[in-house]
Amino acid sequence: GENVEQHPSTLSVQEGDSAVIKCTYSDSASNYFPWYKQELGKRPQLIIDIRSNVGEKKDQRIAVTLNKTAKHFSLHITETQPEDSAVYFCAASMSFGNEKLTFGTGTRLTIIP
Amino acid sequence: DADVTQTPRNRITKTGKRIMLECSQTKGHDRMYWYRQDPGLGLRLIYYSFDVKDINKGEISDGYSVSRQAQAKFSLSLESAIPNQTALYFCATSDPVGASGDTQYFGPGTRLTVL
Repeated sequence: GENVEQHPSTLSVQEGDSAVIKCTYSDSASNYFPWYKQELGKRPQLIIDIRSNVGEKKDQRIAVTLNKTAKHFSLHITETQPEDSAVYFCAASMSFGNEKLTFGTGTRLTIIP
Repeated sequence: DADVTQTPRNRITKTGKRIMLECSQTKGHDRMYWYRQDPGLGLRLIYYSFDVKDINKGEISDGYSVSRQAQAKFSLSLESAIPNQTALYFCATSDPVGASGDTQYFGPGTRLTVL
């Protein structure tokens, strides 16, 4: 089955700086890669996703890049703000009929004011 | 997201007891999932159901069972709880043929402690 590795497990960033979280996956058939954000005591919520037919996707201050050859994808947060402090999970799955997500182990991001 | 609810929100029980966690959704989604979250281990899939007649094991189904009573309800049971089942449990739903696509919508979670 799919295996997703996520690094780093913790990340502290000065407010205003950028943060990057990286994930690798094992199954070359995976074609859907979402990122979920979980604030303290809350449920995970989707913040951005990418499919294997594109290499990059942006939504305001967040972006995700995908390298299919190397089987890795990354989350980039620019101009970080205190509300970005949370645990971020990457995931991978085969889409279109088999949306069984395999999650990474999470990155706890702390924004230092 | 009040569309996906879980009961109870917190539960403390003893080793050997039978426990049922319930999930209800008003989103009209066919697909429902149960995950457990442990510190440092992320979210791991226990069981999933793609429609009322479909039940599938996830990566950590041992010691758990599920029931899909209706499109809107998916229950997780621990037949004989043990301490290493202490965790935060999440239910989720998705509707891949709808506008939300592959997005999974999570419930608020149930914190279970087995003594």
